[in-house]
Amino acid sequence: AQSVTQLGSHVSVSEGALVLLRCNYSSSVPPYLFWYVQYPNQGLQLLLKYTSAATLVKGINGFEAEFKKSETSFHLTKPSAHMSDAAEYFCAVGPSLTAGNKLTFGGGTRVLVKP
Amino acid sequence: DAGVTQSPTHLIKTRGQQVTLRCSPKSGHDTVSWYQQALGQGPQFIFQYYEEEERQRGNFPDRFSGHQFPNYSSELNVNALLLGDSALYLCASSLPRGGGSTDTQYFGPGTRLTVL
Repeated sequence: AQSVTQLGSHVSVSEGALVLLRCNYSSSVPPYLFWYVQYPNQGLQLLLKYTSAATLVKGINGFEAEFKKSETSFHLTKPSAHMSDAAEYFCAVGPSLTAGNKLTFGGGTRVLVKP
Repeated sequence: DAGVTQSPTHLIKTRGQQVTLRCSPKSGHDTVSWYQQALGQGPQFIFQYYEEEERQRGNFPDRFSGHQFPNYSSELNVNALLLGDSALYLCASSLPRGGGSTDTQYFGPGTRLTVL
């Protein structure tokens, strides 16, 4: 079975500081991995996805994530936080031949940006 | 290019009632997935529809049912509502999976269901 663990349900960063959100996955097959962002009272917006091409994936809004198979990790980073980055971020794994077509999400990390 | 749309935006029901939520997929997409997001949690997969059939189902009771129409739009029906069904219901659309494609899922804004 696939699973995702996001370390830290809340992260507080200062504006201009590095944003680092941690995601570890479990999958019996090479995974497809995703990061989504959810702003208050909105749906999920795709930030970036890993599909077994380059291990360093660049997404929208200056975010990027690095796939590390040895660590089963897919951490999300942004060099300099902006106030508009305040939101909840979800890491997800799937789909796959074993798990089917669904996405399996982590519990989310809420980011607070301090001025 | 219209994205995924959902209706209604908000809904208030009482225990025991039935509810129908609607979703129109992104233009060019023919696969629709439904997720339940309880407050403070990540989305949980309910089921996915493709070619008007339920293709895969998550760990949800039979009270949750769905339908897909020939124009690819979809409905989620929940019978005998419980307080625990209060959540944000998200619809996502994608292209059908095949040949190793990623079939990225694009999400709508959701329907907030409150059960009193």
